[in-house]
Amino acid sequence: AQSVTQLGSHVSVSEGALVLLRCNYSSSVPPYLFWYVQYPNQGLQLLLKYTTGATLVKGINGFEAEFKKSETSFHLTKPSAHMSDAAEYFCAVSDRENRDDKIIFGKGTRLHILP
Amino acid sequence: NAGVTQTPKFQVLKTGQSMTLQCAQDMNHNSMYWYRQDPGMGLRLIYYSASEGTTDKGEVPNGYNVSRLNKREFSLRLESAAPSQTSVYFCASSVQGGQPQHFGDGTRLSIL
Repeated sequence: AQSVTQLGSHVSVSEGALVLLRCNYSSSVPPYLFWYVQYPNQGLQLLLKYTTGATLVKGINGFEAEFKKSETSFHLTKPSAHMSDAAEYFCAVSDRENRDDKIIFGKGTRLHILP
Repeated sequence: NAGVTQTPKFQVLKTGQSMTLQCAQDMNHNSMYWYRQDPGMGLRLIYYSASEGTTDKGEVPNGYNVSRLNKREFSLRLESAAPSQTSVYFCASSVQGGQPQHFGDGTRLSIL
């Protein structure tokens, strides 16, 4: 069964600094991987997803993530943090061979942006 | 605005009371989901409907029932509410498959 681990329940970065949110997955087959963002008092929004092809995936709001099979990782990055990036971020994984398989969410990382 | 609409946004119940959370989407999506979100737990799938007329249990279905009334609507019912069901509930939808694309803004439910 697949699973996902997010390192750090809270991450703080200064405005303008690099954002790095870590996600490692476990799956017996090549997975589909996702990052979602949740702003306060809202539902989740899909930031980006990896299914096949290029391992560097670009998403909305300047975020990107790289699928590294050898490291079983899918870390989320943004070169320069903005105050509006403060939110909770969820990594998720699903079984690539079964399109109807449900995705499993990580426990989330809350990103704080320091002025 | 197009998207997923949940009602109500807030609700307080007493232990043992029943309640139905409503969800509707206007994107002609086939699949709909109910999740609960608890601090430090991420989102956990309660029930899933791949298409109109079908429902499947997710990770935490105990204490809940669902109805896929039509393609647009997917309701979640608590027959006898318990304090452990205090949570934020999210409905979501997708064109197909098990990967939600659009979420509602949530229902914040407190069971006293």
